Amino acid sequence: QQQVKQSPQSLIVQKGGIPIINCAYENTAFDYFPWYQQFPGKGPALLIAIRPDVSEKKEGRFTISFNKSAKQFSLHIMDSQPGDSATYFCAAIETSGSRLTFGEGTQLTVNP
Amino acid sequence: DGGITQSPKYLFRKEGQNVTLSCEQNLNHDAMYWYRQDPGQGLRLIYYSQIVNDFQKGDIAEGYSVSREKKESFPLTVTSAQKNPTAFYLCASRLGGSANYGYTFGSGTRLTVV
Repeated sequence: QQQVKQSPQSLIVQKGGIPIINCAYENTAFDYFPWYQQFPGKGPALLIAIRPDVSEKKEGRFTISFNKSAKQFSLHIMDSQPGDSATYFCAAIETSGSRLTFGEGTQLTVNP
Repeated sequence: DGGITQSPKYLFRKEGQNVTLSCEQNLNHDAMYWYRQDPGQGLRLIYYSQIVNDFQKGDIAEGYSVSREKKESFPLTVTSAQKNPTAFYLCASRLGGSANYGYTFGSGTRLTVV
């Protein structure tokens, strides 16, 4: 099972701060990298995703940065709000793959 | 609205009992998955199925069983052989193919052994 390493395990920021969550992978065949957001007691929901031919993707306040040569990608949350407090999972899959490989998750707390 | 429905939301199991968790999707997705999530932990794959009447073990299949008799349905049975079944169980589905690899998750079933 190819791994995706995610850090940090937990993160606390003040409202308006820019939390950054990092992920690193080994399998160069991975070609789709989604991020999921999970609130307590709920299922994860797809937040944003990127393919390796793109170095950055923005959707609202959420940005993925992708470094193909370093095999790393990260999630940035601009102007973070208390409502962004959740657990975030990065993931990866290859074209011929049948299952996503998930990172370990980051518990984000945004204080008012 | 299309989506994945998991039921029940909460389930209580006595020691030695088998229980079945329901997962139904109307997204016409090909693949379906079951994950287990323990408090403060990540997602661990139990079983998955890419087509009807076929399924594969994930990373923690012992003590669990599944069936895939219909494309829309992928029930999970937690057997008495599962020694620590208290957890949050998540079902997911995926369309597959080159257009979309992402999962859609259900809202989960919280199983507690009493």
